[in-house]
Amino acid sequence: DAKTTQPTSMDCAEGRAANLPCNHSTISGNEYVYWYRQIHSQGPQYIIHGLKNNETNEMASLIITEDRKSSTLILPHATLRDTAVYYCIVRVSSNDYKLSFGAGTTVTVRA
Amino acid sequence: NAGVMQNPRHLVRRRGQEARLRCSPMKGHSHVYWYRQLPEEGLKFMVYLQKENIIDESGMPKERFSAEFPKEGPSILRIQQVVRGDSAAYFCASSRTGGTNEKLFFGSGTQLSVL
Repeated sequence: DAKTTQPTSMDCAEGRAANLPCNHSTISGNEYVYWYRQIHSQGPQYIIHGLKNNETNEMASLIITEDRKSSTLILPHATLRDTAVYYCIVRVSSNDYKLSFGAGTTVTVRA
Repeated sequence: NAGVMQNPRHLVRRRGQEARLRCSPMKGHSHVYWYRQLPEEGLKFMVYLQKENIIDESGMPKERFSAEFPKEGPSILRIQQVVRGDSAAYFCASSRTGGTNEKLFFGSGTQLSVL
């Protein structure tokens, strides 16, 4: 089971930054935080992942707190096409080759 | 570089028939994962395979479901004697290795409808 806590849903205004929180208070030192999203009826799409340091790519930024108990996914300029369910996932052990999806956060970007 | 390819995109079967879902991983990927998503529910892990080996099938129903990933060709998820409860979206993912720092890439899924 996913060991993360995310808000059920959130709204965001188009063009504004979307900040998606995730709590993972039982994370261990060698466990990565992954973010995926699923746009309606499509396959999950990889966004970003990190271990300790903040990460940025062309899609988003990932901010991980110093104690690693929580993180925030930032979509810098949300568009209507970013409306999706966003999943924060911790791979729970060094042998956890699979991703365990929770309920995620349903993000609705409004014009 | 093509992504993970799944076919068919949509599959309709009558109760009691067999369903065969195919997944071709990304080039260079030798690890395949199958997930199922029931209507209005989350993604559930079913099985993890490497070439010619089933590594973890802890999420597979004990009966009627099987999976393979032969040395040559795509991975196949086979459902025998389908029932209406098997209606779902089935997603395949692949990765280059099975490490925790390794991204999984997902296909577009097969939507199975059982009449």
